Amino acid sequence: TQLLEQSPQFLSIQEGENLTVYCNSSSVFSSLQWYRQEPGEGPVLLVTVVTGGEVKKLKRLTFQFGDARKDSSLHITAAQPGDTGLYLCAGFPLPGFDQFYFGTGTSLTVIP
Amino acid sequence: EAGVAQSPRYKIIEKRQSVAFWCNPISGHATLYWYQQILGQGPKLLIQFQNNGVVDDSQLPKDRFSAERLKGVDSTLKIQPAKLEDSAVYLCASSQGGRAYNEQFFGPGTRLTVL
Repeated sequence: TQLLEQSPQFLSIQEGENLTVYCNSSSVFSSLQWYRQEPGEGPVLLVTVVTGGEVKKLKRLTFQFGDARKDSSLHITAAQPGDTGLYLCAGFPLPGFDQFYFGTGTSLTVIP
Repeated sequence: EAGVAQSPRYKIIEKRQSVAFWCNPISGHATLYWYQQILGQGPKLLIQFQNNGVVDDSQLPKDRFSAERLKGVDSTLKIQPAKLEDSAVYLCASSQGGRAYNEQFFGPGTRLTVL
């Protein structure tokens, strides 16, 4: 059983399209992070969301933390081939857990 | 600032053999993590060090995996003996410390293939 479930698992879209990736849990998280991982490399942090309901924008990427702090979403506008990679949500569940969990991952391919 | 260094980048061994991975974290980072990542999945935390002490190793298969962080800097992860299901990328990461907001910086990983 995965603590953080992501959907979809795979996504292949044309350049210029919009997409949303979801990260869901039955547990409450103190904060959630989103990472992007390119082939042959380690994950790189994109953003950290801390407050329930928080929305953060990073150029064409919009991140939202659910009000109950159990879920998060990543929306990409006008996807580009450079957005291709494995997107991972991650975080520490609220006190009672001391381990850092990564989500199941969403593999995005943007076709030129 | 130099990033997290890992070696080797690739390793191929036969089952029941032993293997060791090395990690040099970013200078000054107190926390070091080892992850196992199966192809196409999210990384799974194996062990977390704070300086040279173990914070969490609940998902480390201790009958075959071991890790140490000498003097709170470099770290090695060993598998003895290896099984087919150990084929994965082993990622090392480091952070300055703290907990909820810490940014982890990852190395490029070591891709292990067990035949």
